[in-house]
Parts: sequence; C-alpha cells; structure tokens
Amino acid sequence: DLQMTQSPSSLSASVGDRVTITCRASQNINNYLNWYQQKPGKAPKLLIYAASSLESGVPSRFSGSGSGTYFTLTISSLQPEDVATYFCLQCDGVPYTFGQGTNLEIK
Amino acid sequence: QVQLVESGGGVVQPGGSLRLSCAASGFMFHYYGMHWVRQAPGKGLEWVAVISHDGSIKFFADSVKGRFTISRDNSKNTVFLQMVSLRPDDSAVYYCAKEVRRSDYYIPFEYWGQGTLVAVSA
Repeated sequence: DLQMTQSPSSLSASVGDRVTITCRASQNINNYLNWYQQKPGKAPKLLIYAASSLESGVPSRFSGSGSGTYFTLTISSLQPEDVATYFCLQCDGVPYTFGQGTNLEIK
Repeated sequence: QVQLVESGGGVVQPGGSLRLSCAASGFMFHYYGMHWVRQAPGKGLEWVAVISHDGSIKFFADSVKGRFTISRDNSKNTVFLQMVSLRPDDSAVYYCAKEVRRSDYYIPFEYWGQGTLVAVSA
C-alpha cells in the first residue's frame, strides 16, 4: 500500500506564527492529496483538496502546496481556534491512506 | 446541511458481530458513494470500505476483507457496515463519510460523521 509520512507528529507554536506541516508519499500521487482538521470530539473537516484548493468556508490563512510526493499545509498566522489534529490523505486510489497526524498546540 | 449520524457501536466479544448504521440527511443520498473509516485508540486513521451510489460496487481494506460487508438502503438514506468475526484489533471509532466529485477531482471524504465506538474485548 502507498505510505504517507507526516511530520511533525506534534507542534507547539505561538499565536500569529507561521506553521507548516509536511506529508511525503511513498510514490507519485500527482495532486491526489487532501488535508483535514480534527478537533477533540468532533468529526474531521476537509480543509484542502487537490493539494492546494481551499475548501469553501475555510479561512484563507490555510493553504496547501506540493505535487508528486511532497506536500505541505501552511497556516500563515496561527489562531487559538486552530488547535487541532491535522492529517493528510492520499486519494490516488484504494486503499486510501492517511498520514499519522500532527497535534497542533498553542505555546 | 449535510449530517451523517453513526450508530450501532458497543462492546462485543472476540469472534462476535456488530452492524453499524449511518443515517444521512441534507443531500441527495442516492447520488453519492459512501465510505467507512476507522481510528483505533491512539492510532491513525484507516480506510475500511466504500460502496457506490447504487450499491453495485464495493471495495474493502485487506484487513477486513471477508469479514466486513457494506450495504445501503437508498430508500432510508442509510449505509451499513456488517462486521463479523471481530478481533481486538478491530476496536476503533468508526466513521462514515460522504464522497464528492468536483470537476475531474474525486474527494472520498467530503463530510464525516461523529463516529461510533466499537470495543472488541473478552
């Protein structure tokens, strides 16, 4: 199966900081990469699809980039409400596989 | 708005069975394929199964193939996951999720439910 390696596994940053999370695919997945946010006790929420397309209603401080095997999720100015777990998903084909997740906290 | 509500989780002994349900609302259910995804305690997410909009196409993760079946009732806007021969490593929160296709891009998990907990333990 295609493996997704996400880093870091946890991250602590200050309000206003620029935060970057990365995902690497074990093989070329073109742009079949989505990013999700999950807050405790809540359903995961789609943030970014097709590697760089912002989902409707998601704040513009979130952005995604990359193609092939290397992808990033960036929060340009961290806000308190961004505390959550973030994970990537490759959707190049079944079985779909996820990154291990990044727990983001406010310093 | 889209709502997905899972039910049917609980505690079951190894070798036992459970049937999970996911009730959908807020969209034309019969137009969309549906997935099940699970997350074991303290672990990452694992895709489990998918069923096409009309139920004619189904795929399963290798870890559940032959033990889990997926089905849907479009008249009741509900998708099911029948689980048999359950093992302790099947213990997880099980989520259902709705797919969408936007232009040429397929998003398997556009919306997710809140999940239902399955615990397999003696």
